[in-house]
Amino acid sequence: RKEVEQDPGPFNVPEGATVAFNCTYSNSASQSFFWYRQDCRKEPKLLMSVYSSGNEDGRFTAQLNRASQYISLLIRDSKLSDSATYLCAVNPYTDKLIFGTGTRLQVFP
Amino acid sequence: DADVTQTPRNRITKTGKRIMLECSQTKGHDRMYWYRQDPGLGLQLIYYSFDVKDINKGEISDGYSVSRQAQAKFSLSLESAIPNQTALYFCATSEGTVNQPQHFGDGTRLSIL
Repeated sequence: RKEVEQDPGPFNVPEGATVAFNCTYSNSASQSFFWYRQDCRKEPKLLMSVYSSGNEDGRFTAQLNRASQYISLLIRDSKLSDSATYLCAVNPYTDKLIFGTGTRLQVFP
Repeated sequence: DADVTQTPRNRITKTGKRIMLECSQTKGHDRMYWYRQDPGLGLQLIYYSFDVKDINKGEISDGYSVSRQAQAKFSLSLESAIPNQTALYFCATSEGTVNQPQHFGDGTRLSIL
């Protein structure tokens, strides 16, 4: 089993839709979790950290489910500009992050 | 100006050449990382460094070497480039405490013919 797994997608959704992605992790001792956004052939950019109690930033909501060992990212009112690949990152050790391979989102008009 | 700067941004070279990719940062972070990304694959960690005297191998260090010249500079070398090292390379930094996110440079697109 991979340490961090994501559905590669693509998720094709219309503008205004709500879409959610999950990211599962294998190490129950993992302590920190992040979502990144990556546009085609560009650098990953930190979207948000994921806190135990869940957190929201505008249209984006991140959740952590420790019992089932996954994190989620919910995007409400999708915009065309949300089209990108979304990477999750998990810290199962104290010294490095493990990245998922990403979920591709395509928002259409 | 970018906080994490990679040079060059693009490079095309031939098999067997020595190549150096450079990364510098103005974020004041202690930790620096080199990754490669291949199409359809995730980020693979090549080397990482927690300070000038601390260098660690990542999951795919074979064929690569690094130098941490200063807190702000971390270079990646390919001693004798081979075509399967063609990839997108990213440098990243993070603060020197646990549970901090990493921040990436713009990337270097490397093609080895």
